[in-house]
Amino acid sequence: TQLLEQSPQFLSIQEGENLTVYCNSSSVFSSLQWYRQEPGEGPVLLVTVVTGGEVKKLKRLTFQFGDARKDSSLHITAAQPGDTGLYLCAGARIYNQGGKLIFGQGTELSVKP
Amino acid sequence: GAVVSQHPSWVICKSGTSVKIECRSLDFQATTMFWYRQFPKQSLMLMATSNEGSKATYEQGVEKDKFLINHASLTLSTLTVTSAHPEDSSFYICSARDQVDTQYFGPGTRLTVL
Repeated sequence: TQLLEQSPQFLSIQEGENLTVYCNSSSVFSSLQWYRQEPGEGPVLLVTVVTGGEVKKLKRLTFQFGDARKDSSLHITAAQPGDTGLYLCAGARIYNQGGKLIFGQGTELSVKP
Repeated sequence: GAVVSQHPSWVICKSGTSVKIECRSLDFQATTMFWYRQFPKQSLMLMATSNEGSKATYEQGVEKDKFLINHASLTLSTLTVTSAHPEDSSFYICSARDQVDTQYFGPGTRLTVL
């Protein structure tokens, strides 16, 4: 059973298009992180959201945490080839099991020029 | 931001040998570090939680005798893959948790077992 469902798992779009990645769960998270990973490298933290309903912006990236803290989304405006990579959401359970993160399946994004 | 290093970044070894991978938190102390395994184009799979000064906690299905973890200081955890076989070939990533529960990831180690 996947505790954090991430979708879509693959996304191929043209430069300039917008996209949204979703992470959904039936569990409540105390916080949720979004990471971006390039091939052969470790994930790099983009943002952490902790408050229900919170919206954070990072240039063309907008992150939202659901009111009930069970879901989150990442929206990219006017995608660029440099946005290509694997995007991962990861949540810390409300009763944190030693700090473990629950990872979504990942979204492989390809932005074509 | 916080920096986590891993060494080596890649290693090739013969079947049956043991390989040690180091994970260091460079600018913060981490009482807890995590070891993950990742297959191409897939998400991270947690192998074990490394706790400074105590035994590691392994996830279900991970052999503790094969993947030895030592967390001897607040800035260093090691993962030793013992008697490695080709099926152990993978990308191994560590992370270190800071005082506000944010995890920072190392750059990963590509292990190839011939």
